[in-house]
Amino acid sequence: QKEVEQNSGPLSVPEGAIASLNCTYSDRGSQSFFWYRQYSGKSPELIMFIYSNGDKEDGRFTAQLNKASQYVSLLIRDSQPSDSATYLCAVNQGGGADGLTFGKGTHLIIQP
Amino acid sequence: GAGVSQSPSNKVTEKGKDVELRCDPISGHTALYWYRQSLGQGLEFLIYFQGNSAPDKSGLPSDRFSAERTGGSVSTLTIQRTQQEDSAVYLCASSAPTSGRNEQYFGPGTRLTVT
Repeated sequence: QKEVEQNSGPLSVPEGAIASLNCTYSDRGSQSFFWYRQYSGKSPELIMFIYSNGDKEDGRFTAQLNKASQYVSLLIRDSQPSDSATYLCAVNQGGGADGLTFGKGTHLIIQP
Repeated sequence: GAGVSQSPSNKVTEKGKDVELRCDPISGHTALYWYRQSLGQGLEFLIYFQGNSAPDKSGLPSDRFSAERTGGSVSTLTIQRTQQEDSAVYLCASSAPTSGRNEQYFGPGTRLTVT
């Protein structure tokens, strides 16, 4: 049974600070890792993906992957109130077309 | 360009009725996925298509659920004899998988309520 674990939160972070979201996964063979942002009542929006160990930066977002420890994290710098949402971690065992296994998400609140 | 579209956006049906949900993927995306999201269950994978074939049907919760895709494009998810536990948001995603990469993009979803 493939599992993806996230702290459900809520995680409260002051505006302008760094928000750090963590995710662990059980399947050591996992190859692809994704972060989705989901606003209340909306569908998930892909914001980051990472396939190799290390860090990947895109604007205010940095994804970090450590396959040896089976965790992936998302850092949001200069947090804004508009970043308040649920962040879903998703994992794909294979490198090609396949269903994703999702965590239940972390609810992030950015306090103005 | 246009994203993934789904219809209807909302569907209310009586227990025991059949429903059909439709998904139109991003143009050029060969892979299409169905998920459902319900309170307390998170986002659950149902089935995916590569072209018109469905290599993995393992996520379908019962034989009341079926899906098809024709012409490598539009897909329909059919739920027969709906039950109250089928109430959820049904999400479709598509991707253009290449070697080692498979970013999936979601549509707006269909909210199904079984009364």
